Order: sequence, then structure tokens, then C-alpha cells
Amino acid sequence: SYVLTQAPSLSVAPGETARISCGGINIESKSVHWYQQKSGQAPVVVMYYDTDRPSGIPERFSGSNSGDTATLTIRVVEVGDEADYYCQVYDSATDHAVFGGGTRVTVL
Amino acid sequence: EVHLVESGGGLFPPGGSLRLSCVAPGFTFGDYWMSWVRQAAGKGLEWVANIKEDGSEKIYAESLKGRISIARDNSKKLLSLHMDYLRGEDTAVYYCVRLSGVKTGHYDYWGRGTVVTVSS
Repeated sequence: SYVLTQAPSLSVAPGETARISCGGINIESKSVHWYQQKSGQAPVVVMYYDTDRPSGIPERFSGSNSGDTATLTIRVVEVGDEADYYCQVYDSATDHAVFGGGTRVTVL
Repeated sequence: EVHLVESGGGLFPPGGSLRLSCVAPGFTFGDYWMSWVRQAAGKGLEWVANIKEDGSEKIYAESLKGRISIARDNSKKLLSLHMDYLRGEDTAVYYCVRLSGVKTGHYDYWGRGTVVTVSS
């Protein structure tokens, strides 16, 4: 089955840029979706189809997907961005949705 | 406004069964694939199952196949999940989730989740 790999944690200072990676074999051939989950809350989609941003998500959030790595970038990080971030793809080989293990972003 | 409201969680004995429900007012329920996703405490998200708009196609996580069944009643805007032979590792928050348009799409709306605890 297809595997998505994320670093468990990432620390970033306010105002800096956070780059959250999601690794998978030839992931560029798939559409990657990203979810933000704040403590005690349900996940919220923050990026879909690699680079599309839902309404209400700040322009500070952007996405890219190339080779074996997809990246969610958060510019000018704010304390309110502190959350767990999950990448997700659809694996056509198994007809299954697959989630990465999640990256906890801490804003110092 | 889209709302997804789960129910049916609680404390269940190992080996027992459960049925979770999700009511989905606020949108044309029958126009969307629907899913269940679960999350154990302190762990990541785990996809459980998908069901097609008309219920004609159901897809299950391999690790759960044979123990679960997803169903829907479009007239009642109701999604359900039945799980048998419960184990401790089934303890999790279970989310009812809407797929954005096709089964390859993203999950655009999530319920708040219902907590399932499997313990004697």
C-alpha cells in the first residue's frame, strides 16, 4: 500500500516560514490534500489538489508537489497556526485514501 | 450550512458490536461520497471507509475489512458504520466526513466526531 511520510514535529518562530513535507514514491503523480487539526478539534482542509486554497484560508498558506515530496508552506507564521498537519492522497492502486502520520507544528 | 453530526459512541466491551450514525443536514446528501475516518488518542488520522453517492460502491480499509459495514439512507440524510468483534485498538474518535466531489478528492467537511472506547 502507498505510504506517506511526515516528520513528527517542526518548530518555528513567529513571523518565520514553516515548510511541512510529505514524502511518497512519485507523489507528484498524485493530488495531495492537507489538513490542519488544532488541539481538541476536527481537522480542517487547508490545501487541496496540491495548490488550491479553500476560501477562508489565508494566502500565507501555499502548496507544492514535485518528485517524491509535497510541501505545505506557511509564511509569516502566527501563534494561531500551531496545530497538527496531515497530508492525504488517494491511492488508485488500492482505491483507498491514505494519510500521512502528521507533523506537529509548534510556534515558539 | 453544512453540518455533520455523529452519534452512537460510548463504552463497548471487547468482542462486542457498535453502530455509529451521522446525520447530514444543510446540503444535498445524495450528491456526495461520504466517509468515516478515525483517530486514536494522540495518534494520526486513519481512513476507515467510503461509500458512493447512491450506496452502490463501498470501500473499506484492509485492516478492518470483514468487521465493518458502511451504509447510507439518502432519504434521511443518514450515514452509518457498523463494526463487529471490537478490539481495544478500535478505541478512537470516529469522524463522519464528506468527500468534496469525487472519491479521489479531499475531505471538505468533518463532523466533530463521536468517541468510541472498547474496554471491559
